[in-house]
Amino acid sequence: DAGVIQSPRHEVTEMGQEVTLRCKPISGHDYLFWYRQTMMRGLELLIYFNNNVPIDDSGMPEDRFSAKMPNASFSTLKIQPSEPRDSAVYFCASSPASWDRGGTGELFFGEGSRLTVL
Amino acid sequence: ELKVEQNPLFLSMQEGKNYTIYCNYSTTSDRLYWYRQDPGKSLESLFVLLSNGAVKQEGRLMASLDTKARLSTLHITAAVHDLSATYFCAALNRDDKIIFGKGTRLHILP
Repeated sequence: DAGVIQSPRHEVTEMGQEVTLRCKPISGHDYLFWYRQTMMRGLELLIYFNNNVPIDDSGMPEDRFSAKMPNASFSTLKIQPSEPRDSAVYFCASSPASWDRGGTGELFFGEGSRLTVL
Repeated sequence: ELKVEQNPLFLSMQEGKNYTIYCNYSTTSDRLYWYRQDPGKSLESLFVLLSNGAVKQEGRLMASLDTKARLSTLHITAAVHDLSATYFCAALNRDDKIIFGKGTRLHILP
């Protein structure tokens, strides 16, 4: 399997522009997570999906952030409008099975999308 | 709300020495994870600890879990330069969210 695939790997944009980050999870994985990593705040969970349904979006910082998972093989994280404080590395991760059904919940991470908002 | 704390946050050590990274978590958790991250790279899963007393070893790294103390440790034996990286622990909370610590940046001097 190719692993979790994210695009773009790097994005530089200007404040106020719309940014869309994309993720393809590992085939057969039921869970998909979006994390944001910064030096100051570490790894923060933004939102996660189970079988394409958003379960918890309490980590989404503001209404400017939205995420969708239209099918089992694709998810997007959108920021509109973007601000300099959104600059971070955004990771997508998928997990194969639910912990309450004996799964370990181990996360498999993509390579990340490094976002710079000027 | 589950909080995960690691210490130390930064560790510089000589090759050949032993050391331990500590991970405390604030509420009951059924799963504890250790990940490694190299600079500019993704996170790689190292260990998954599923029960009290669990111990797992891979090469010079050994992880253990004490659920009663809400403590996990990552022990490094006879460190080598290739182990230089940032190590994260993470725990599963009751809402099925995996919460990460701030990471321990490990620098091993030749």
